[in-house]
Amino acid sequence: DAKTTQPTSMDCAEGRAANLPCNHSTISGNEYVYWYRQIHSQGPQYIIHGLKNNETNEMASLIITEDRKSSTLILPHATLRDTAVYYCIVSDAGNMLTFGGGTRLMVKP
Amino acid sequence: EAGVVQSPRYKIIEKKQPVAFWCNPISGHNTLYWYLQNLGQGPELLIRYENEEAVDDSQLPKDRFSAERLKGVDSTLKIQPAELGDSAVYLCASSLRGGALYNEQFFGPGTRLTVL
Repeated sequence: DAKTTQPTSMDCAEGRAANLPCNHSTISGNEYVYWYRQIHSQGPQYIIHGLKNNETNEMASLIITEDRKSSTLILPHATLRDTAVYYCIVSDAGNMLTFGGGTRLMVKP
Repeated sequence: EAGVVQSPRYKIIEKKQPVAFWCNPISGHNTLYWYLQNLGQGPELLIRYENEEAVDDSQLPKDRFSAERLKGVDSTLKIQPAELGDSAVYLCASSLRGGALYNEQFFGPGTRLTVL
């Protein structure tokens, strides 16, 4: 699996958009970008995934650059409950998910 | 719909003692995973089951760890004997099937193991 690089931590004001970057410069053509998050004392939770096109669901939006070497997860209106560790993972369809260290997002009032 | 169930949620044992963790995946999910998560790190895959078959156990320390999923539903992960370094959170996850177009995994809350 391609490796990803994420900032260790980020802060965001409540109600503002949280933009979490991820670099995956060695991603191959058949690898998807997945985002999971892990709230304290819980198991990871799937957020969204994409291959080439931008994706949006009820939780977040995923913006993937045209060269696919980086992506951004956007939480449009962050709440205190969005405080969590966010993992960006690249993987073949159906392949294993290899979690890195993730980004610790702190949403502040 | 019930999520992935794990028990116990917490376990404290002394080193060299055995310990077992139980997981019941989401109904109908054929693929089951066991992960280990050390403090401050992301989860690491220990073993993956497709129904009752272990299809990826390369990261499972087989000298002391064992797992089973006899009827292709619930699963047990065992450590015998436990060592101090085994203190971690053990996560179970399930998905509809491996090799799918995309693989959304559903995680349980984990079992926090402390070895004294």
